[in-house]
Amino acid sequence: SQTIHQWPATLVQPVGSPLSLECTVEGTSNPNLYWYRQAAGRGLQLLFYSIGIDQISSEVPQNLSASRPQDRQFILSSKKLLLSDSGFYLCAWSVGQLPGANVLTFGAGSRLTVL
Amino acid sequence: AQTVTQSQPEMSVQEAETVTLSCTYDTSESNYYLFWYKQPPSRQMILVIRQEAYKQQNATENRFSVNFQKAAKSFSLKISDSQLGDTAMYFCAFVSYNQGGKLIFGQGTELSVKP
Repeated sequence: SQTIHQWPATLVQPVGSPLSLECTVEGTSNPNLYWYRQAAGRGLQLLFYSIGIDQISSEVPQNLSASRPQDRQFILSSKKLLLSDSGFYLCAWSVGQLPGANVLTFGAGSRLTVL
Repeated sequence: AQTVTQSQPEMSVQEAETVTLSCTYDTSESNYYLFWYKQPPSRQMILVIRQEAYKQQNATENRFSVNFQKAAKSFSLKISDSQLGDTAMYFCAFVSYNQGGKLIFGQGTELSVKP
């Protein structure tokens, strides 16, 4: 069966420090991968999505970046965190082809607090 | 641009009763999917139910059912025989058929089931 792992679960970082959140998927190959952010417990905003290694699209301008060094690994990074980067970050995956690509399975999330 | 609106920030229901959560969306697309996701206090996003726009029959999953009104662009969730474990934030989400995985979420409805 497929599983998705996301870490760390909780992170407290000072403003200006770097960030690295990791997400890995097991039990499937060539998944679509996504990073969403949830602010203040409300709606989710898509940040990045990837349909393959080195194929990453950004949805919103920000000081965050994403990388996919391996087929089932997705990393969210920042060189210098801002206060506004605080939030709950969710990784998700879906099967590679439509219509399955529309059904997302989410990781447990990472809570980031920037002080 | 596509939007999803949940007009009820908070709702409560007595255990064993029925509750309906509202969702409306705006799109010019004709082929799309609609979802309800549940986010309990653990913050794990869990798929509750999905509806494909070309299907006229309303989706059901055990105690959960939807009322899909395509012309009105309405997609409400009915929870029957509410249980304490249904306490969670519920998100309505939309994705057009050719935008695999790039879901657009509403702002959520926080549901409390009271004993």
